[in-house]
Parts: sequence; structure tokens; C-alpha cells
Amino acid sequence: EAQVTQNPRYLITVTGKKLTVTCSQNMNHEYMSWYRQDPGLGLRQIYYSMNVEVTDKGDVPEGYKVSRKEKRNFPLILESPSPNQTSLYFCASGVRGGELFFGEGSRLTVL
Amino acid sequence: AQSVTQPDIHITVSEGASLELRCNYSYGATPYLFWYVQSPGQGLQLLLKYFSGDTLVQGIKGFEAEFKRSQSSFNLRKPSVHWSDAAEYFCAVKIAGGGADGLTFGKGTHLIIQP
Repeated sequence: EAQVTQNPRYLITVTGKKLTVTCSQNMNHEYMSWYRQDPGLGLRQIYYSMNVEVTDKGDVPEGYKVSRKEKRNFPLILESPSPNQTSLYFCASGVRGGELFFGEGSRLTVL
Repeated sequence: AQSVTQPDIHITVSEGASLELRCNYSYGATPYLFWYVQSPGQGLQLLLKYFSGDTLVQGIKGFEAEFKRSQSSFNLRKPSVHWSDAAEYFCAVKIAGGGADGLTFGKGTHLIIQP
């Protein structure tokens, strides 16, 4: 089954404790992206990757890092999480010029 | 910069009634247009998309949308809603052939279905 898989789905952590949200897709898509969803703000792009070893900032990249060492994986790294990064995070993948396929989301709470 | 406006934050519709969700975009170039649905606790599912051609597009779950270039709109419609249609709906656009390939989303419309 074609899918985008994110882990963990739910996480509560404390300020400053590094964490990684993994994302994996099995559709051989070149393009992958991370979004965060906040009430009243919709979805905003954090980072994206056009291919392996190619990443770029989206609209709200501050406080986040990403890497793309393999085509299928695109982890989101929070080196020192802060409460304003409490949010619902979505990973997505797609082919160039097409629609995006989304994971089920990772709800992160930073205390 | 491109933007997407969904004027209605919440819409309440009776089950069996028709539905129209509005979406307007601000874009200089030819856009690709999408509607996604997010059910509670779920990810985003593509309902339909417009790239070119016939401006009335059919999607899944009985939804359709019409692209009107003159009005910069891409409104979503359904002739008769079901209780299972209660969800958050997002309109999204991207530049046709644009390098970044990302989607710009509206802030969403929360659909409530009355029995």
C-alpha cells in the first residue's frame, strides 16, 4: 500500500530535549516536505526536499532541521524544542508537478 | 507572494442539503488547484485537483469543484452532504511548473453537519 509513515504519532517532551520525527514514503517520490498545522493558521511549510541531499527552507524553518540522505526518508529534527513548537506536524511526498500525499500527522507537545 | 483565502471558518449544513465551500487565490501565474479533506485525527486526503482542461472537475466522495479564472476561485461543491462529510477542508494552490513544488494552503473551513 502506498503510504507516508510518520513516527511518533504523539509525543510529549520538555523544552530543550532534542527530538526527531521520522518520515518514510514507499512511493519512490523525489519531493518531500514538512508542514505544521496550527489552529487558525492552516498548514505552513517548514522545509522541503527536491531530491536526495537537496533541502531548502519553507515558510517557517526557524528551530528545525532536516536531512535527506535516502530518497524514502526525510526526518524532522528539533535540536532544542520550545513551547512555540507545540503543533501538529505533517510529512508529505509527491512527484514533481503533482499532488502531495500526506502522512497521518505527529502531534507534538513541548512543556 | 501567492495566497489562498477560504472566507468561511465554519459552515453548518443540514444532512442532505447542498454544500459549497469557497476558495479564492491570489496568484500571478497559472495555478494548480487542490482540495484536501482532514477528518478528525487523520491526515489530509486529496479530494480533487485541477491542472488544466475542463474547468469542472470531479473528485472522490461525490465532490466537485469549478475553476473560474476570472474570479480567481475554485469552489468546492456537493449536492447532498452526509454526516460523514463533517471534517476540515483545505484549498491549496501551487505554481504550475514552479520549482519549489510546495503547496500554499488556505486556513481551512470546518464543516459541521446537522442531523
